[in-house]
Amino acid sequence: NAGVTQTPKFRILKIGQSMTLQCAQDMNHNYMYWYRQDPGMGLKLIYYSVGAGITDKGEVPNGYNVSRSTTEDFPLRLELAAPSQTSVYFCASSTGQDGTQYFGPGTRLLVL
Amino acid sequence: AQKVTQAQTEISVVEKEDVTLDCVYETRDTTYYLFWYKQPPSGELVFLIRRNSFDEQNEISGRYSWNFQKSTSSFNFTITASQVVDSAVYFCALSEANRDDKIIFGKGTRLHILP
Repeated sequence: NAGVTQTPKFRILKIGQSMTLQCAQDMNHNYMYWYRQDPGMGLKLIYYSVGAGITDKGEVPNGYNVSRSTTEDFPLRLELAAPSQTSVYFCASSTGQDGTQYFGPGTRLLVL
Repeated sequence: AQKVTQAQTEISVVEKEDVTLDCVYETRDTTYYLFWYKQPPSGELVFLIRRNSFDEQNEISGRYSWNFQKSTSSFNFTITASQVVDSAVYFCALSEANRDDKIIFGKGTRLHILP
């Protein structure tokens, strides 16, 4: 099992550009999550999904969109990049049964 | 409201010393899970332990041990005989049952093990 994979590892965006952060998991987990981690801070939940076709907002959803068309994939879309979105983005998945989340390696995003 | 507090922002100890990382949580639920994750300098998040609210037994795994006390709402993490490879940021986290497995993270404690 590859676990949770994320692409790209690093990206620089200009203000106003858009991009999609990819996340995939091969553990057949129903639940998936997107977090951002700002320097020196813990993780904050952006969006999550409890199954294909179902998504919900987390603590900091503004400026982001998600979709979940399959169990395996959970892409995060930034429509109009802003410097405040400079962060490290982590995707995670869980079975939904015991609270444990398994994290991908992260995507480092720099918006200039 | 859910909250996780890691009051120690940064700790430095000399190799082979023992070190305890504190974690205090707040929740109104009676059923919840507590976690510790490690984030080494490489940046990934590594799951260390999960403890559910009905199991207050302390746990030991090699040089790592965890002390869960519901009376003080604490879930502390001790590293015995620390090693340089233990240098990392450690996050304590809380998940309430029936909340779609959403996790609330503390801000983390950065641990430096000095050779």
